[in-house]
Amino acid sequence: AQSVTQLDSHVSVSEGTPVLLRCNYSSSYSPSLFWYVQHPNKGLQLLLKYTSAATLVKGINGFEAEFKKSETSFHLTKPSAHMSDAAEYFCVVSGPSNTGKLIFGQGTTLQVKP
Amino acid sequence: GAVVSQHPSWVICKSGTSVKIECRSLDFQATTMFWYRQFPKQSLMLMATSNEGSKATYEQGVEKDKFLINHASLTLSTLTVTSAHPEDSSFYICSAAGGLNEQFFGPGTRLTVL
Repeated sequence: AQSVTQLDSHVSVSEGTPVLLRCNYSSSYSPSLFWYVQHPNKGLQLLLKYTSAATLVKGINGFEAEFKKSETSFHLTKPSAHMSDAAEYFCVVSGPSNTGKLIFGQGTTLQVKP
Repeated sequence: GAVVSQHPSWVICKSGTSVKIECRSLDFQATTMFWYRQFPKQSLMLMATSNEGSKATYEQGVEKDKFLINHASLTLSTLTVTSAHPEDSSFYICSAAGGLNEQFFGPGTRLTVL
């Protein structure tokens, strides 16, 4: 079965400092992995996705994530946080193949302090 | 990118009434749409998978007679919450599949049942 665990429910950083949002996954096969961001009262936006190509995935707004099979991790990073990055972030793993289902982590709230 | 809309964005209804939520893919055809439920400060939970022209597939624990899903065309799926009660109050989000393991999310509908 597939599952995903976001290790931090809340992360607080100062503007201009690096961001690290941690995610571990479990899958019985080679998964696709995603990071989505949800701003208040807005729809989910795809930041980046891993689909068995390059293990270092670059996304929008300066975010990137590295797929580490040995550690079953897919942590999201950004070198320098911006105030507009404050939002809820979800790590997502693909469900059983050919179903199109997505399995969401519990979410991490990113707070960016001035 | 692909756009998915939901209508209404916010609805308040009395206990015992039914509410219909529409999900539309505006610029692409989606044979599969998904309906999620999100409680405050929690993750998204998949409720059902909706395939155009066939019956929806519900996740375990989701009452199919309470949450009626219709996917009559390649651009429209509807979720009807029948005989709504306060415990049905939640944020309902749809997504449309644009390809393998790629989903585009609507902005969500906030349902409040009094």
